[in-house]
Amino acid sequence: EAQVTQNPRYLITVTGKKLTVTCSQNMNHEYMSWYRQDPGLGLRQIYYSMNVEVTDKGDVPEGYKVSRKEKRNFPLILESPSPNQTSLYFCASSFGRGDYEQYFGPGTRLTVT
Amino acid sequence: GENVEQHPSTLSVQEGDSAVIKCTYSDSASNYFPWYKQELGKRPQLIIDIRSNVGEKKDQRIAVTLNKTAKHFSLHITETQPEDSAVYFCAALRDNDMRFGAGTRLTVKP
Repeated sequence: EAQVTQNPRYLITVTGKKLTVTCSQNMNHEYMSWYRQDPGLGLRQIYYSMNVEVTDKGDVPEGYKVSRKEKRNFPLILESPSPNQTSLYFCASSFGRGDYEQYFGPGTRLTVT
Repeated sequence: GENVEQHPSTLSVQEGDSAVIKCTYSDSASNYFPWYKQELGKRPQLIIDIRSNVGEKKDQRIAVTLNKTAKHFSLHITETQPEDSAVYFCAALRDNDMRFGAGTRLTVKP
């Protein structure tokens, strides 16, 4: 089954404790992206990647890191999480560039206390 | 960077009526405009998209129109059904950078 998976689905952590949210897709998509969703703000792009070893900042990259060492994986790293990073995070992937349908993962609800 | 504004933020219609959601964008170089539907507790899913070389696209009860000169695009849903109730997001893409609107919560009353 074609899908995008994220782990963990729920995470409660404390300020400053490094964490990684994994994202994996099995559709051989070149384009992968991370978004955060906050009430009243819609979806905001954090980082995106056109292919292996190619990543670019989106709208709100501050406080986040990403890597794309393999085509199927695109982890999101929070080196020192802060309470303002409490949010619902979605990973997405698409064929080619970003101008094709993006398939979203199930979401990761992160709470930073 | 690109800025996408979406209106209204909430919309309530009677079953069978039409619903229209409008978005404006700021960057004339944006060239791809998708619409996503997000049901409560679910992930966003693409319902329709349009590219900058097309003025209108239709898929059954859903249509999207694009006015490049005015930099706005709209989602039209006809003959609404209760299962159309969800949050709808518009987006604009420029150079692989996707910007979303804040969303419209559509409620279809039976």
